[in-house]
Amino acid sequence: KQEVTQIPAALSVPEGENLVLNCSFTDSAIYNLQWFRQDPGKGLTSLLLIQSSQREQTSGRLNASLDKSSGRSTLYIAASQPGDSATYLCAVRREETSGSRLTFGEGTQLTVNP
Amino acid sequence: ETGVTQSPTHLIKTRGQQVTLRCSSQSGHNTVSWYQQALGQGPQFIFQYYREEENGRGNFPPRFSGLQFPNYSSELNVNALELDDSALYLCASSLRPESAYEQYFGPGTRLTVT
Repeated sequence: KQEVTQIPAALSVPEGENLVLNCSFTDSAIYNLQWFRQDPGKGLTSLLLIQSSQREQTSGRLNASLDKSSGRSTLYIAASQPGDSATYLCAVRREETSGSRLTFGEGTQLTVNP
Repeated sequence: ETGVTQSPTHLIKTRGQQVTLRCSSQSGHNTVSWYQQALGQGPQFIFQYYREEENGRGNFPPRFSGLQFPNYSSELNVNALELDDSALYLCASSLRPESAYEQYFGPGTRLTVT
């Protein structure tokens, strides 16, 4: 059974810091890994999706890396801003032809202080 | 292009009652997946519907059931509500059920059971 763990559970940083969120998964036979952002009480916004054959993806100030063999991914946020405050979730998918599902970690709650 | 929509936004029910939550998939998407997100947790996969049939199920009891209609919209029904059913219910649509197709999430329905 796939298990996804995110560390730390919560993080509070001053504005402008560069930071790293960690995600680990127990079954390395994944098809892809995705990072989401969730604002309080809201739905999920996809940030980055990394295919199992890729090592990293970048979007603006965000960079996500994937080390499939060791079961790890990191989300790097450069020059953090108060607007980055949210919960960040990582999720993995196996290669399935039906009933494909995302398995999520419990998230990292990020607070960026002005 | 309209995104994934869910109704209602919020709902309060009493233990033992039944509830129906609704989801309209993104245009052209024939697959809908439902997730339950308890407070402070990551989303958990409930089930997936593809072409009006259940197409994969997570570890949820039979009192969680669903429907998908010819227009690919979907309902999640929960019978005999329990206090632990209080959660944010998210639906996600995709072009097809395979892992290659990204899931796009709606804003969620917040269910409170008292």
